[in-house]
Amino acid sequence: EPEVTQTPSHQVTQMGQEVILRCVPISNHLYFYWYRQILGQKVEFLVSFYNNEISEKSEIFDDQFSVERPDGSNFTLKIRSTKLEDSAMYFCASTSPRQGASEAFFGQGTRLTVV
Amino acid sequence: LAKITQPISMDSYEGQEVNITCSHNNIATNDYITWYQQFPSQGPRFIIQGYKTKVTNEVASLFIPADRKSSTLSLPRVSLSDTAVYYCLVGPPASGGSYIPTFGRGTSLIVHP
Repeated sequence: EPEVTQTPSHQVTQMGQEVILRCVPISNHLYFYWYRQILGQKVEFLVSFYNNEISEKSEIFDDQFSVERPDGSNFTLKIRSTKLEDSAMYFCASTSPRQGASEAFFGQGTRLTVV
Repeated sequence: LAKITQPISMDSYEGQEVNITCSHNNIATNDYITWYQQFPSQGPRFIIQGYKTKVTNEVASLFIPADRKSSTLSLPRVSLSDTAVYYCLVGPPASGGSYIPTFGRGTSLIVHP
């Protein structure tokens, strides 16, 4: 079965540092997403990406966040100056919307711990 | 956006059938209904998707009444490994195109021995 892969699985960083979370979406998918899940809370949408640009973003996705698809396979989330409250699981997802049914495929996540 | 209501938690025992009902009163005519499962510290995983009537796969069944204002996920003969959070989502649109999977609190299912 195709899968979305994320690296690293766990990242510990100091407050104020920059982090880059990496994702390899499923190769023929067109829409890419980042979500986060703070411990014990729900999965929250951050941003969607289509045709090499952001298509939608949530209020959470402020100026400290950015996304990039630097080549044909990787999709990255950069957090410029991490804060303690950025500690969460970050999930990447991809879909191939088409007429009829489709589902989102999620990666296993990166656990980000800001200390 | 359709408002989703599902039970916060459910308990069951191994071998029982579990039915989780989700309410989505103002679902759009064009939208599918999709269910995901999430284990702790893992990403959500697609379970099943339907538009109307009944859909069955190797994992679950999904029952959708004619008015589509609710749906019921049915897990036959659950095991301990089915302990997870189950999310009911409205969408994607049947016509395809842009769609943001939006998660609520889900239903935390605990299966007891």
